[in-house]
Amino acid sequence: EPEVTQTPSHQVTQMGQEVILRCVPISNHLYFYWYRQILGQKVEFLVSFYNNEISEKSEIFDDQFSVERPDGSNFTLKIRSTKLEDSAMYFCASSLGTSAYNEQFFGPGTRLTVL
Amino acid sequence: DQQVKQNSPSLSVQEGRISILNCDYTNSMFDYFLWYKKYPAEGPTFLISISSIKDKNEDGRFTVFLNKSAKHLSLHIVPSQPGDSAVYFCAASAPGANNLFFGTGTRLTVIP
Repeated sequence: EPEVTQTPSHQVTQMGQEVILRCVPISNHLYFYWYRQILGQKVEFLVSFYNNEISEKSEIFDDQFSVERPDGSNFTLKIRSTKLEDSAMYFCASSLGTSAYNEQFFGPGTRLTVL
Repeated sequence: DQQVKQNSPSLSVQEGRISILNCDYTNSMFDYFLWYKKYPAEGPTFLISISSIKDKNEDGRFTVFLNKSAKHLSLHIVPSQPGDSAVYFCAASAPGANNLFFGTGTRLTVIP
């Protein structure tokens, strides 16, 4: 069964450093998403991406965040200068179609720890 | 700003009995609701969904009920099995939007 994969599973970084979280969406999916879950809190939407551009983003997704699809398979989330409050589990998801009526498939997540 | 709320952080149920997980929402624009299940060290997995034009959707042991006037939905699992033990997230979306709004989750433990 096709699945979304994410690397690394755990990333530890120093405050102020740049991190890149990587995702490989399901191959025939067209829409890609990043969500995050701070420990003990709800899963929060960050950004959606379609046709090589951002289609929606939340207030959390400020200028320190960026997304990219550098090749035909990877989808990345870059945090330019990490803050302590960026520590969270980051989930990548993909879907075939555009609306929520198309199931979003989630990866296993990357746990980011900012020291 | 919690648009989707799951007020019970945990629930324990005996194997074979019914599990009922509840979810409330505040945004009347939401028109599509989903339940995701999450095991440790895995991402959320889609379980079942319901459109706002329906009040019930059933898939095997899982049934979701929607009460639009109360802005409330619930997930019924019957009979509950130990393998159902996981965290269950309620999620919702508005028309034309891709993003999902999640609740904080309910940890279900099914006791053998």
